[in-house]
Amino acid sequence: NAGVTQTPKFQVLKTGQSMTLQCAQDMNHEYMSWYRQDPGMGLRLIHYSVGAGITDQGEVPNGYNVSRSTTEDFPLRLLSAAPSQTSVYFCASSPPTPSSPLHFGNGTRLTVT
Amino acid sequence: AQSVTQLGSHVSVSEGALVLLRCNYSSSVPPYLFWYVQYPNQGLQLLLKYTSAATLVKGINGFEAEFKKSETSFHLTKPSAHMSDAAEYFCAVSLTGNQFYFGTGTSLTVIP
Repeated sequence: NAGVTQTPKFQVLKTGQSMTLQCAQDMNHEYMSWYRQDPGMGLRLIHYSVGAGITDQGEVPNGYNVSRSTTEDFPLRLLSAAPSQTSVYFCASSPPTPSSPLHFGNGTRLTVT
Repeated sequence: AQSVTQLGSHVSVSEGALVLLRCNYSSSVPPYLFWYVQYPNQGLQLLLKYTSAATLVKGINGFEAEFKKSETSFHLTKPSAHMSDAAEYFCAVSLTGNQFYFGTGTSLTVIP
């Protein structure tokens, strides 16, 4: 049972480069989201989706794009990487009920030099 | 907007001692509350959740948390700490299930 799968696990980018962080879930969850984790700041919501074709911004969306063409996949795009985007990124999914917890992937550690 | 405050970014306890990790939330209505644990280089795992069924919630690995509406708190406890409990713990709240708000985390160290 794979759950939420994130790739890659590690990535180093130069300032200005673009890349896509991949996220896939096999639990048929409607809700998917991206968080970034920085020391002393907890997890902050970047973007989320309540279903295929529907996305919305979270707390820190600037510099990131998302799309949701299928229920399973929710990629996060960095358009022009900046050192401030150095972070650990987590994808999470859940059923569309308020009491359902998030299921997390193992994260992608991104360094922008 | 929701917010979550975790008092104490670092907590150290001796093995066998009581673990108490504090979480306070701000919300105009009782939210859904969660505690997650994160081991090094891993994602977050659910420890327990409060969904209004009972104010004392039991989770995995011997942890429990009590919802106190009057204090807007959801503190996490474990009677006897084990070395394997060393990890980072996050409290989170949600009203709708679409947006979760996380505290800044508490790193638990267990001293042998």
